[in-house]
Amino acid sequence: DTGVSQNPRHKITKRGQNVTFRCDPISEHNRLYWYRQTLGQGPEFLTYFQNEAQLEKSRLLSDRFSAERPKGSFSTLEIQRTEQGDSAMYLCASSLTQGVTEAFFGQGTRLTVV
Amino acid sequence: DAKTTQPPSMDCAEGRAANLPCNHSTISGNEYVYWYRQIHSQGPQYIIHGLKNNETNEMASLIITEDRKSSTLILPHATLRDTAVYYCIAHNNNDMRFGAGTRLTVKP
Repeated sequence: DTGVSQNPRHKITKRGQNVTFRCDPISEHNRLYWYRQTLGQGPEFLTYFQNEAQLEKSRLLSDRFSAERPKGSFSTLEIQRTEQGDSAMYLCASSLTQGVTEAFFGQGTRLTVV
Repeated sequence: DAKTTQPPSMDCAEGRAANLPCNHSTISGNEYVYWYRQIHSQGPQYIIHGLKNNETNEMASLIITEDRKSSTLILPHATLRDTAVYYCIAHNNNDMRFGAGTRLTVKP
């Protein structure tokens, strides 16, 4: 499968714990996006990377959230001291930068904070 | 990215054309109009994009008004599998921001 891969698919954690999600983009894609989606809402932009550089972060990305893409390939999104309000689907997408191209999304990681 | 406005929901009869409107009156000259859809519990899926000319692919047609302030996505023969949330986005290949989209329900 050469699509965007996200792991884990589901995560249940207790409030206050730290969680980390991984996204493996399509191999030649140098742009990578993270989104958060709650029930009934569209995906909310969190951040995006061009290779290993994090180019923009949403105000939604509080101090408890951090994203990395150390070698310009896979990316991780960490949430520290999780809160119940962090419960959501976390989506990753990747795309090429050259020209005008579409983004390909993974299946997401569903986080439940109890 | 320019803000887009879409109706929250629409219905369409199976086999008929579904016409989904999008308003993007503040779109800038270098922003493209993209359409994605999201079927329940899946990640969004790309449908089509355009700058100012009408576009057609195997999934849909995109009609962009001459002033580029609005567009319409057309699914020529909607099927039950086209039931989804459809998102219209205007962006210039930087950050990509989604609105609430239109929930299209195709009915038998």
